[in-house]
Amino acid sequence: KQEVTQIPAALSVPEGENLVLNCSFTDSAIYNLQWFRQDPGKGLTSLLLIQSSQREQTSGRLNASLDKSSGRSTLYIAASQPGDSATYLCAVISGYALNFGKGTSLLVTP
Amino acid sequence: GAVVSQHPSRVICKSGTSVKIECRSLDFQATTMFWYRQFPKQSLMLMATSNEGSKATYEQGVEKDKFLINHASLTLSTLTVTSAHPEDSSFYICSAISGGASNEQFFGPGTRLTVL
Repeated sequence: KQEVTQIPAALSVPEGENLVLNCSFTDSAIYNLQWFRQDPGKGLTSLLLIQSSQREQTSGRLNASLDKSSGRSTLYIAASQPGDSATYLCAVISGYALNFGKGTSLLVTP
Repeated sequence: GAVVSQHPSRVICKSGTSVKIECRSLDFQATTMFWYRQFPKQSLMLMATSNEGSKATYEQGVEKDKFLINHASLTLSTLTVTSAHPEDSSFYICSAISGGASNEQFFGPGTRLTVL
C-alpha cells in the first residue's frame, strides 16, 4: 500500500523567505504526482502536476521536482507571501487513485 | 474549464437522519467521479469511485449501505449518508476526471457535515 509522508507537518516563516516542502512515497511505481493547496475549511486547489516521465514543473513562484527512484518530491516556494499561508498537500497518483499525505501547514508572517 | 461544484457547502443534521451531497462537473463530462472524506488534521481518504451508469466501487472499510452513491449522469454524482451519526461528521470532497492522458482530478469545494 502506498504511504505518503510530508515533512514538516507545520512551518512558520517570515515573509520573503524561500522555502521547501518535502513529500516522500514508498512505492515508486506511480503515474503522476500532484501538489495541492487547501485553505481552512475549503476544497483543494491544484498547484502543479508532474507526470512520471517529468522531473519538475514550474508555475510562477512555485517549482515542484520529482525523483521517482528515491520516492521523493519537493515543492519550492520562492519569495513567500502571507497569502501563501495554507496547507499544502502532496498526492501520489497510481492509475486513478490518489494517495494523499497529511499535508504541511504553512504560515507566512508579515 | 474543469470546474466541479458541490452542494450543499455545509449541512448540520440530527443523528439518524439522511443527508444527500451533490457533486457536479460544470463544464465537462465526467465518466468517473471520486468521493473523499477528510477528518481534522488528517489526509483525504478515498471512500469510493463512482462510474456513470454502474455501481460504485468502495474502499476497504467503507460501508456501501451507509454511504450510498449514485452516478446517474455524466455530470452528476450524489453521496447519501444514511442514518448519520456524530462520527460521520467530516469534510466530504468529490473530484472528477475530465479526460486526457494525465488523468488529472479536479476537486469540488467540499461539504462540511456536522451530525448532532
